[in-house]
Amino acid sequence: DSGVTQTPKHLITATGQRVTLRCSPRSGDLSVYWYQQSLDQGLQFLIQYYNGEERAKGNILERFSAQQFPDLHSELNLSSLELGDSALYFCASSGDREAYNEQFFGPGTRLTVL
Amino acid sequence: AQKVTQAQTEISVVEKEDVTLDCVYETRDTTYYLFWYKQPPSGELVFLIRRNSFDEQNEISGRYSWNFQKSTSSFNFTITASQVVDSAVYFCAPPAFNDYKLSFGAGTTVTVRA
Repeated sequence: DSGVTQTPKHLITATGQRVTLRCSPRSGDLSVYWYQQSLDQGLQFLIQYYNGEERAKGNILERFSAQQFPDLHSELNLSSLELGDSALYFCASSGDREAYNEQFFGPGTRLTVL
Repeated sequence: AQKVTQAQTEISVVEKEDVTLDCVYETRDTTYYLFWYKQPPSGELVFLIRRNSFDEQNEISGRYSWNFQKSTSSFNFTITASQVVDSAVYFCAPPAFNDYKLSFGAGTTVTVRA
């Protein structure tokens, strides 16, 4: 158990809908990262927050947004969902802002868009 | 731009055989870190090892060992006396020293048969 929690574990929805994925980092970790894992794109970095502020952006679509709250939990919002958004979404946390620190991954949220 | 290549897509071995996974990382950075993560069939990502680019000493931890050769940008990972529980997808993930994200390789699927 990494100490990172993600909810829900599974999510099934329809095209055009909007969903919110939630992540709670390990106790004391200030950085939260979001990754998307799909069959065709592999594991891709989406976005990072550090202590409530956006720190870095990766291949995140404009339809997607995220935020980190004062209690350090984070939410990833996916809107106008398309079939291609079906993927496993991981949240990771680390104690510092730089990626050379070990990242601890949550169990993931499997999103299925029908 | 940095590029990570895991040329081996799948490796299948019989229990107790050794398995070596290859990872080649191309970058202009002179200082960087390299990670290996494991993703078992249950789906979670598990941190295995972090090495830095200025430490070329090989390292052994239990049944795992690592061989880093800076001259060829290769960072290989060996599982000695493999077990069925080692069956997983193994990802090489090198961040640049000042980057904020992990850039995962495509992964190598290891299947250990009893």
